[in-house]
Amino acid sequence: GGIITQTPKFLIGQEGQKLTLKCQQNFNHDTMYWYRQDSGKGLRLIYYSITENDLQKGDLSEGYDASREKKSSFSLTVTSAQKNEMAVFLCASSRTAEQYFGPGTRLTVL
Amino acid sequence: GQQVQQSPASLVLQEGENAELQCNFSTSLNSMQWFYQRPGGSLVSLFYNPSGTKQSGRLTSTTVIKERRSSLHISSSQTTDSGTYLCAMEGNTGYQNFYFGKGTSLTVIP
Repeated sequence: GGIITQTPKFLIGQEGQKLTLKCQQNFNHDTMYWYRQDSGKGLRLIYYSITENDLQKGDLSEGYDASREKKSSFSLTVTSAQKNEMAVFLCASSRTAEQYFGPGTRLTVL
Repeated sequence: GQQVQQSPASLVLQEGENAELQCNFSTSLNSMQWFYQRPGGSLVSLFYNPSGTKQSGRLTSTTVIKERRSSLHISSSQTTDSGTYLCAMEGNTGYQNFYFGKGTSLTVIP
């Protein structure tokens, strides 16, 4: 078994601020993912990474940067937070196509 | 267009009733996965089901790849089954692209 941890659990930012979300997994999975979940819109893929130092854009990559510093960690940066933005950011990892998710980071922008 | 259609969008059951949740895909797929999510919670994997039928307790998943559909059957529902059920597909375009449905919100009343 293994676990995925995400920090912080709650993130409050100001408009225009650069914000970083972190994800760690101890499954020893090769692939990691960042998704955004908005109410009524389902999950949308922002970035994924198939190995250390690899980055692949998803459908929602504009406005975000990502970094795969090592196999176990994957960071996501919101480059400029948008006013009144509210969403949950979910990190996942997989060895094959079966994905396992972290608890999420809930973002609120004032 | 939307790749994954889930139905129904919401469902209310009396405890003990059965439920059938549907997932239809607009494109060819390699695999699919069913998840459960409590309000404010993360995604818990129920089934990774590329094809065929899988059962776990009161839950049964059946995927027919050629027909681009999957179903999740819940038998003898309990109040603790309440939450959102999400399905996700992995497309077959040569890279790891995942698409999620908007989910079915299930409420089981005692």
